[in-house]
Amino acid sequence: GIQVEQSPPDLILQEGANSTLRCNFSDSVNNLQWFHQNPWGQLINLFYIPSGTKQNGRLSATTVATERYSLLYISSSQTTDSGVYFCAARSSNTGKLIFGQGTTLQVKP
Amino acid sequence: GAVVSQHPSWVICKSGTSVKIECRSLDFQATTMFWYRQFPKQSLMLMATSNEGSKATYEQGVEKDKFLINHASLTLSTLTVTSAHPEDSSFYICSARDMRGNQPQHFGDGTRLSIL
Repeated sequence: GIQVEQSPPDLILQEGANSTLRCNFSDSVNNLQWFHQNPWGQLINLFYIPSGTKQNGRLSATTVATERYSLLYISSSQTTDSGVYFCAARSSNTGKLIFGQGTTLQVKP
Repeated sequence: GAVVSQHPSWVICKSGTSVKIECRSLDFQATTMFWYRQFPKQSLMLMATSNEGSKATYEQGVEKDKFLINHASLTLSTLTVTSAHPEDSSFYICSARDMRGNQPQHFGDGTRLSIL
């Protein structure tokens, strides 16, 4: 099945810094989503981005499907951005949405 | 926006009990729903794909007799953890996708299951 790898696994930033989270996937996809999981376990959908670039406030994401990767950009990070970020990719072949291992982000004041 | 409702939010029960978790798509029809499990400090692992009107398909290593899935309608799937034991304690999350066009998957808020 499809493999989804995220990097880095952990990231510590000073408030105000910018960051880039990466998601590589091993198969062609028809869906790529980025999530932020809050402390209560809820998955907050950040982006549905099977291809192209989208922006939402301080966050933006880019997926280059032909090269099998997606990037999540966080600009001017805030302490409230702390938490676990997951990408998930749905294989065009199996239809299953598979999660990466996540990036744990800590933003220090 | 599309909403997936999952109940209960948390369950604490004794070993040997069977526990049922419900997953509903509130404003769209879902011929396919998905069940994930997440252990502490780990990622979400797909357990099974629930298909309306037919048998669920399970991922490798997931016991179908332990985790019974029923998808009785286009808006409801249930996961029953049978004869639960402490090692079944986990965070279970359901997901559904509106099958019209290429849509994102929507997730429930999860069920935290603790078996004593």
